Amino acid sequence: AQSVAQPEDQVNVAEGNPLTVKCTYSVSGNPYLFWYVQYPNRGLQFLLKYITGDNLVKGSYGFEAEFNKSQTSFHLKKPSALVSDSALYFCAVRDGTDSWGKLQFGAGTQVVVTP
Amino acid sequence: EPEVTQTPSHQVTQMGQEVILRCVPISNHLYFYWYRQILGQKVEFLVSFYNNEISEKSEIFDDQFSVERPDGSNFTLKIRSTKLEDSAMYFCASSPTSGASTDTQYFGPGTRLTVL
Repeated sequence: AQSVAQPEDQVNVAEGNPLTVKCTYSVSGNPYLFWYVQYPNRGLQFLLKYITGDNLVKGSYGFEAEFNKSQTSFHLKKPSALVSDSALYFCAVRDGTDSWGKLQFGAGTQVVVTP
Repeated sequence: EPEVTQTPSHQVTQMGQEVILRCVPISNHLYFYWYRQILGQKVEFLVSFYNNEISEKSEIFDDQFSVERPDGSNFTLKIRSTKLEDSAMYFCASSPTSGASTDTQYFGPGTRLTVL
């Protein structure tokens, strides 16, 4: 079984400040981890993923995430948030042994960036 | 950049009616998925589809649901007799089977289904 927890329903940050969105996971095999972002009336847009290799992965729009195996975490970060980063962010996990298997999503974290 | 598209964006139907939600996956992707998100809840997996057959389905995907790839571009989800609890946002996704992005699922904008 696999599961994802996003402990914060909402994160508020001032523009220019660092942004962190937390995610912890549980999976029986090797974790394949993903972050997606959803803007209003839009679909889930892929941001970045961790499959293997370097624990720090970089993605679109200046976002990065750090895979921490001992803490089973995959927190999303951005050094300097923009107002346009305000959106709903989803963490997802899949068992790496299943090449095209289903994604298990977290509940989502609403990010609000104020000017 | 190629995108997954879905139609309609919003579908309103009466309980007991059949609905068909349509998706056009990214060209040359061969793995297809349907997920749904009931308002205020998590995005949930429904079904995956490859080579004209279901690869995996969740317990939600009962006999009222079916999927089909009627031609080379469309991928459909049919709900035979809708229930109130089927009201949700339905997302289609596709994934390539070769190249650097084989492990990534790309999502469409969703169809909001409202069952009255």
